[in-house]
Amino acid sequence: KNQVEQSPQSLIILEGKNCTLQCNYTVSPFSNLRWYKQDTGRGPVSLTIMTFSENTKSNRRYTATLDADTKQSSLHITASQLSDSASYICVVSARYGGATNKLIFGTGTLLAVQP
Amino acid sequence: NAGVMQNPRHLVRRRGQEARLRCSPMKGHSHVYWYRQLPEEGLKFMVYLQKENIIDESGMPKERFSAEFPKEGPSILRIQQVVRGDSAAYFCASSPRGLSNTGELFFGEGSRLTVL
Repeated sequence: KNQVEQSPQSLIILEGKNCTLQCNYTVSPFSNLRWYKQDTGRGPVSLTIMTFSENTKSNRRYTATLDADTKQSSLHITASQLSDSASYICVVSARYGGATNKLIFGTGTLLAVQP
Repeated sequence: NAGVMQNPRHLVRRRGQEARLRCSPMKGHSHVYWYRQLPEEGLKFMVYLQKENIIDESGMPKERFSAEFPKEGPSILRIQQVVRGDSAAYFCASSPRGLSNTGELFFGEGSRLTVL
């Protein structure tokens, strides 16, 4: 069964600190992995998209890693800010028949950054 | 360039009524996806549409739910005879092409349905 599991479920850190969020998946056949940020009451916003051949990808203070062999990904946030408080969702894309992909969403890690 | 527009943002219905949720994709996007998010759960795929066509409705409940994306106008997600379990946030997303490989997906802010 295609599944995406994220840990921890929630996390509290102090402003300025770093943190790492984890994502394990059992999706097959794998197409790509995405990280989204979802502020409370808002829609998800894309942070990164990683394909099979990419190990690391950075977007400002966000760095995502992908190990396609162990089917694990992480999202590292550097020098956290209060505005980083949100749910971070790992999404894995599975290829279904030709060019059609289907996205499988994790339940997210709820990050709270405190002053 | 406006993003994906959903309305209403909040909708309250009594059991047995109908709910209609609208989604206008980003300009130039002809692919629309609907997702449902229950509290404490991840987004669940419901349906994928292109203009005038339903491409994949494998996530749609068999009864009471329907979706359309007409040639003109927004995509509509329709829920008939709502029940309390339909209370959720419904997100629409659009893309310029299908989600092959690294196709980018843009989400709206969601419509939050509360069934009393």
